[in-house]
Amino acid sequence: DAGVTQSPTHLIKTRGQQVTLRCSPKSGHDTVSWYQQALGQGPQFIFQYYEEEERQRGNFPDRFSGHQFPNYSSELNVNALLLGDSALYLCASSSASGSNLYEQYFGPGTRLTVT
Amino acid sequence: AQKVTQAQTEISVVEKEDVTLDCVYETRDTTYYLFWYKQPPSGELVFLIRRNSFDEQNEISGRYSWNFQKSTSSFNFTITASQVVDSAVYFCASLGNAGNMLTFGGGTRLMVKP
Repeated sequence: DAGVTQSPTHLIKTRGQQVTLRCSPKSGHDTVSWYQQALGQGPQFIFQYYEEEERQRGNFPDRFSGHQFPNYSSELNVNALLLGDSALYLCASSSASGSNLYEQYFGPGTRLTVT
Repeated sequence: AQKVTQAQTEISVVEKEDVTLDCVYETRDTTYYLFWYKQPPSGELVFLIRRNSFDEQNEISGRYSWNFQKSTSSFNFTITASQVVDSAVYFCASLGNAGNMLTFGGGTRLMVKP
């Protein structure tokens, strides 16, 4: 049973560039959430996708956008990168139904460095 | 809105000691969920447990146990007979009625020395 997968593992970008991160949810899951984790801090919620729609958004600017595909995989896009966007980006998947409702399972993350 | 506080930023113990990680939460929701995650140096958050607000039973899983007390808004995590492999950052998190957004505490770094 494949868990949550994310790509790429590491990424180095320059200020002002744009980046796309990818996530495939755990088998059987239909909901994908994205989190940003700065060094030494807890993860911060960016947004969640369900049925290809953004269901909820955290306190992040419009430079952060996302998409969910019919196969439930998801992308996180960040435009006009700032140095402060350097962080570990975590994708979590969950199911909107069933006994494990609301349990979010995380992928290994993508470490983004902005120089 | 949810808020989670983990007052202990770092704990260091010697192998085989018992250790308790504290978690205090704040919420206005009548139904909510509490979680513990483990983050080893590799970075992946590993799900440990989910607790529903309407179920105050404590839970034990091997060397791990959790104490949920609504009266003190706490959800503490105890590791019995700690091992070096338990070294990691542990996060407590909450999720409200809407079931969308996990709110994490700042994490507790546990170092277990041989």
